[in-house]
Amino acid sequence: EPEVTQTPSHQVTQMGQEVILRCVPISNHLYFYWYRQILGQKVEFLVSFYNNEISEKSEIFDDQFSVERPDGSNFTLKIRSTKLEDSAMYFCASSEAEYYGYTFGSGTRLTVV
Amino acid sequence: AQKITQTQPGMFVQEKEAVTLDCTYDTSDQSYGLFWYKQPSSGEMIFLIYQGSYDEQNATEGRYSLNFQKARKSANLVISASQLGDSAMYFCAMRENSGSARQLTFGSGTQLTVLP
Repeated sequence: EPEVTQTPSHQVTQMGQEVILRCVPISNHLYFYWYRQILGQKVEFLVSFYNNEISEKSEIFDDQFSVERPDGSNFTLKIRSTKLEDSAMYFCASSEAEYYGYTFGSGTRLTVV
Repeated sequence: AQKITQTQPGMFVQEKEAVTLDCTYDTSDQSYGLFWYKQPSSGEMIFLIYQGSYDEQNATEGRYSLNFQKARKSANLVISASQLGDSAMYFCAMRENSGSARQLTFGSGTQLTVLP
């Protein structure tokens, strides 16, 4: 069964460093998303991406965050200058069409120290 | 106001018994979708079941069924014949289909423990 692949599964970074979280969505999917889950809390929407541009973003997704689809297969989330409170599980998800279901990746656990 | 409310932070069920996990939602949209996801301790999000607001029949997927009561704005997940592997966190989520937003809004989750 097709799956969304996220790498790395776990990343530890120093506060203030830049991190790039990578995702390979399902190949025929057109809509891409990033979600965040701080430990023990609910899953929160960060950003959606369609047709090579951001279609929606939450208030969490401030100027330190950016997304890119650099080569038609990867979908990346960059955090420019990490803070301790960025420590969370980050999920990538993709969807074939606008009202279809979502497939989530296994997540990247980001720890900022 | 919370868009998705899961009032049971933790639930216990005996193996082979059925269990209902509660979810209520709040939206003024006529068109929306309701989802349930399972998150085991390993962390991944596993899709379980989907109910569209215009679907007249309750969704079922194997041992999972969704008790959709539109007037009450509830979308409870029923797991029949619980198994030890069902122990996990369960999230209810909603997608509102109006405007440009297509993202999911999640509830706070219910931690289900299946007892042998």
